Amino acid sequence: GENVEQHPSTLSVQEGDSAVIKCTYSDSASNYFPWYKQELGKRPQLIIDIRSNVGEKKDQRIAVTLNKTAKHFSLHITETQPEDSAVYFCAASTKGSTLGRLYFGRGTQLTVWP
Amino acid sequence: NAGVTQTPKFQVLKTGQSMTLQCAQDMNHEYMSWYRQDPGMGLRLIHYSVGAGITDQGEVPNGYNVSRSTTEDFPLRLLSAAPSQTSVYFCASSRTSTGVADTEAFFGQGTRLTVV
Repeated sequence: GENVEQHPSTLSVQEGDSAVIKCTYSDSASNYFPWYKQELGKRPQLIIDIRSNVGEKKDQRIAVTLNKTAKHFSLHITETQPEDSAVYFCAASTKGSTLGRLYFGRGTQLTVWP
Repeated sequence: NAGVTQTPKFQVLKTGQSMTLQCAQDMNHEYMSWYRQDPGMGLRLIHYSVGAGITDQGEVPNGYNVSRSTTEDFPLRLLSAAPSQTSVYFCASSRTSTGVADTEAFFGQGTRLTVV
């Protein structure tokens, strides 16, 4: 099955700096790569996603890049703010032996210091 | 529009007890899934379904059963609770494209389960 690895597990940045979180996946058939943000005590929520036919996608201060050849994708947050502090999860969607599945990385705890 | 409704929010069980976590969605999503979240382990897939009557195992299915008799409901049953099942459980739903979960997943509020 799919294996999604996420680095780093923790990341601390100063307010206004950029943050980058990287993920790798193992299944070349994976074709959908979402990123979720989970604030303390709350449910994960989608912040951005990218499909395998696109190399980069931006939404205001966040962007995601995908390198299909190397099987890795990254989340970029610019001009970080304290409210960006949360756990971020990457995920990859692949069709298993019979049905499609969504696999998550282990998460990155991002802390933005004012 | 309630989205994904998951109950209960908190639960304490004794070892060996059984229980069912409820999950319902009102968005007519084909894909529904259960994850457990443990510190440092991310969200691990327990079971999932792409439609009524169709379920499959995820990464950590042992000790759990599911069924999907309707599009709306996807309950998770713990057969005989063990301390290793202490975790936070999330139900999620999404639309699918040709059976692949390739759209936004909407999560329930989570269930914090403690097995003593």
